[in-house]
Amino acid sequence: GAVVSQHPSRVICKSGTSVKIECRSLDFQATTMFWYRQFPKQSLMLMATSNEGSKATYEQGVEKDKFLINHASLTLSTLTVTSAHPEDSSFYICSVPGGRRTEAFFGQGTRLTVV
Amino acid sequence: AQSVSQHNHHVILSEAASLELGCNYSYGGTVNLFWYVQYPGQHLQLLLKYFSGDPLVKGIKGFEAEFIKSKFSFNLRKPSVQWSDTAEYFCAVYFQTGANNLFFGTGTRLTVIP
Repeated sequence: GAVVSQHPSRVICKSGTSVKIECRSLDFQATTMFWYRQFPKQSLMLMATSNEGSKATYEQGVEKDKFLINHASLTLSTLTVTSAHPEDSSFYICSVPGGRRTEAFFGQGTRLTVV
Repeated sequence: AQSVSQHNHHVILSEAASLELGCNYSYGGTVNLFWYVQYPGQHLQLLLKYFSGDPLVKGIKGFEAEFIKSKFSFNLRKPSVQWSDTAEYFCAVYFQTGANNLFFGTGTRLTVIP
């Protein structure tokens, strides 16, 4: 099955700096990847859909200028949290969809702490 | 609007106890149902899935789940838990509405005491 690699697994950054999170599909080419965010004791919430070769699609309430997504190749999508603030501290997970009839495959997640 | 709810936030059991984690969803149409597990420091992994057919599905590591359409539920069960089952469990529902997205429950943290 597909293996998705997400890096880094943990990052601590200062308020006002930017952080880049990488998501790689190791086993197959992915034209679409998803980025989720999970706050403590809450569901995984879809932030945006990353589309290879075109602009990402953001969910309502997600600031596209703050969460920059780049899907430069069929195996790599990046999420950059710009000008991070403590309220951006969260768990970010990427996934590669398996389609309607199969499960999705997930990265191990990135725990972001903004101090 | 579609949603998925898990009723138990944290469950603590002794080894060999039986487990049942609740999952309900709000949608009357066709759904695909999943349970994922996340062991400490690891990826989300698929435990089991239901698309159609026998509503009682069996997954890895002795887990099973039953789809009860009339109750919009997909509860996860295991007759006898082990310490190694300590993890976070997520119910997820794919609503066949056209959007390619999984909706997740809030997750249940299971702690198994040796």
